[in-house]
Amino acid sequence: EVKVDESGGGLVQPGRSLRLSCTVSGFIFDDYAMHWVRQRPGKGLEWVSGISWNSGSTGYADSVKGRFTISRDNARNSLYLQMNNLRPEDTALYHCVKDMSAFMMICDFWGLGTQVTVSS
Amino acid sequence: DIQMTQSPSSLSASIGDRVTITCRASQGIFNSLAWYQQRPGRIPRALISSTSILQPGVPSRFSGSGSGTSFSLTISSLQPEDIATYFCQQYDSVPLTFGGGTKVEI
Repeated sequence: EVKVDESGGGLVQPGRSLRLSCTVSGFIFDDYAMHWVRQRPGKGLEWVSGISWNSGSTGYADSVKGRFTISRDNARNSLYLQMNNLRPEDTALYHCVKDMSAFMMICDFWGLGTQVTVSS
Repeated sequence: DIQMTQSPSSLSASIGDRVTITCRASQGIFNSLAWYQQRPGRIPRALISSTSILQPGVPSRFSGSGSGTSFSLTISSLQPEDIATYFCQQYDSVPLTFGGGTKVEI
């Protein structure tokens, strides 16, 4: 059974940092690309960042480029998102998502998400 | 970046109706399009990849078509469990981008 569990969310002041983590099980982690996708309350889906199976390729939404960094540790079956200089508009539920392939393409399996709230 | 525009943003239909949702890309994406369903209070799930390939377990009343910049998702006979918001997503290039969503109500 595929499992994806996010952690690390919380309430943080604007300008501060937060690191999200995602641990997975039930599939061969280093065979697949992974993503972070966020959803603001009552809003649509926004792809935040993705990383290929071997970390050789990463991508970011324009809204987070230069502030967020995605990484993975295949030995630990873990995905991370380092979020710096957080803004109120980063407030959202952040989902860790498994891709269907080794490269950034299709979001196959979604975690329940971890809430990030940026507010003073 | 490739912009994805869905229409309508919401629709109301009756059980058994044929429902079609459209998605337009700001530039050609070949057939690199996926559709997702998000039921109220649930996480999204992938319905269709490569424009028209149904994912395992997805009922055959769902179908996808299109190419280039214009795509559509059709539900041939709307069922109560199809009440959800549907999103398209292009994966022709990074950053990946989603459409704004179409909320389907009975």
